Amino acid sequence: DAGVIQSPRHEVTEMGQEVTLRCKPISGHDYLFWYRQTMMRGLELLIYFNNNVPIDDSGMPEDRFSAKMPNASFSTLKIQPSEPRDSAVYFCASSLYRGETQYFGPGTRLLVL
Amino acid sequence: GDSVTQMEGPVTLSEEAFLTINCTYTATGYPSLFWYVQYPGEGLQLLLKATKADDKGSNKGFEATYRKETTSFHLEKGSVQVSDSAVYFCALRGGSGNTGKLIFGQGTTLQVKP
Repeated sequence: DAGVIQSPRHEVTEMGQEVTLRCKPISGHDYLFWYRQTMMRGLELLIYFNNNVPIDDSGMPEDRFSAKMPNASFSTLKIQPSEPRDSAVYFCASSLYRGETQYFGPGTRLLVL
Repeated sequence: GDSVTQMEGPVTLSEEAFLTINCTYTATGYPSLFWYVQYPGEGLQLLLKATKADDKGSNKGFEATYRKETTSFHLEKGSVQVSDSAVYFCALRGGSGNTGKLIFGQGTTLQVKP
């Protein structure tokens, strides 16, 4: 199995630009999670989906952030407009069931100038 | 709400030294507990887990025992190697409601010197 796939691995953009991060979960996994990792705040859950439906988006920082999961094999996290404080590593993870181990992707390192 | 507290790093050890990274938690109900490891430039990987009190998780020489009476899940290894240098995260899931949501500690950086 290829594991969780994220793209791009690195993204550098200017403030005000739209950023789209992509994730392909492990085939057959019903749960998908988006996390953000920063030095100041550590690892934070932004949102998670079950069977493509958003279950808990209480961690999404503000309206500039949105996430979608149009099908079982693809999810996006969009930031519009981006700000320098959005600079972080964004991880996607998936799990087979609610209580099962979460498998993390390699992350997208985002730098907003 | 549920929370996890880890000892602050960085922890610097010589090869073959004994490792302990402390982790305590606050949760209602009966959470499952985890240790994840993050190697430089990579995502998190599950290292070990325990799902009920007194369970011991173990993997790659690392161990942690779920202690409900002290609400702790300390990570230990008898003899560390340079290749163990990484960031270690303690986490819990499902203190109440078991939503599948993981709550992470702030992470502890381990550096092992030859």
